Amino acid sequence: DTAVSQTPKYLVTQMGNDKSIKCEQNLGHDTMYWYKQDSKKFLKIMFSYNNKELIINETVPNRFSPKSPDKAHLNLHINSLELGDSAVYFCASSPLRGLVNEQFFGPGTRLTVL
Amino acid sequence: AQSVAQPEDQVNVAEGNPLTVKCTYSVSGNPYLFWYVQYPNRGLQFLLKYITGDNLVKGSYGFEAEFNKSQTSFHLKKPSALVSDSALYFCAVRDMNAGNNRKLIWGLGTSLAVNP
Repeated sequence: DTAVSQTPKYLVTQMGNDKSIKCEQNLGHDTMYWYKQDSKKFLKIMFSYNNKELIINETVPNRFSPKSPDKAHLNLHINSLELGDSAVYFCASSPLRGLVNEQFFGPGTRLTVL
Repeated sequence: AQSVAQPEDQVNVAEGNPLTVKCTYSVSGNPYLFWYVQYPNRGLQFLLKYITGDNLVKGSYGFEAEFNKSQTSFHLKKPSALVSDSALYFCAVRDMNAGNNRKLIWGLGTSLAVNP
């Protein structure tokens, strides 16, 4: 009965590779997010989708491309990985009803670029 | 510019003592405020939120937060700390700019250590 799940949990890869992280939520939420948490635990919003439509697109290198095939899924594809991409990436979701709703976070994907 | 400040990187408290984790904010208009907790190697979990109404908001795990408009603060409190409360705590405020109402502005986090 996992609410927000991410795969993989750990990802170790070489510089220059392309990788994807997948996120799924079974909460029926309309909005999904990608966050990056660096080694100092700073949390930064990257993208948000509402019903498959991109609504937040922060200043992120265009090597990062989100894709939402349906409102329950939001994937993150990263091209040409760099050392600075090493971080924990969190997916989150929130419902559409009202405008002030809490976000539900996945367990995170720890990406290590060597 | 809108912002959230958590002035303490770390808070240490003895088990059984009251704890406070501080948060101040700067937004235009009435703020919508949140507290989240992150246990080691886990995702963030929602604790509580303030939208309107009573300035004292009660949340999960015995936590509460007090909204103070004049001081633009939303401090997190618990009357009696547990060792299991040791975690990283984030304060956040909803972005009030038009078109950004799904975006939260996050503080940098405060690490709480409860000593037995």
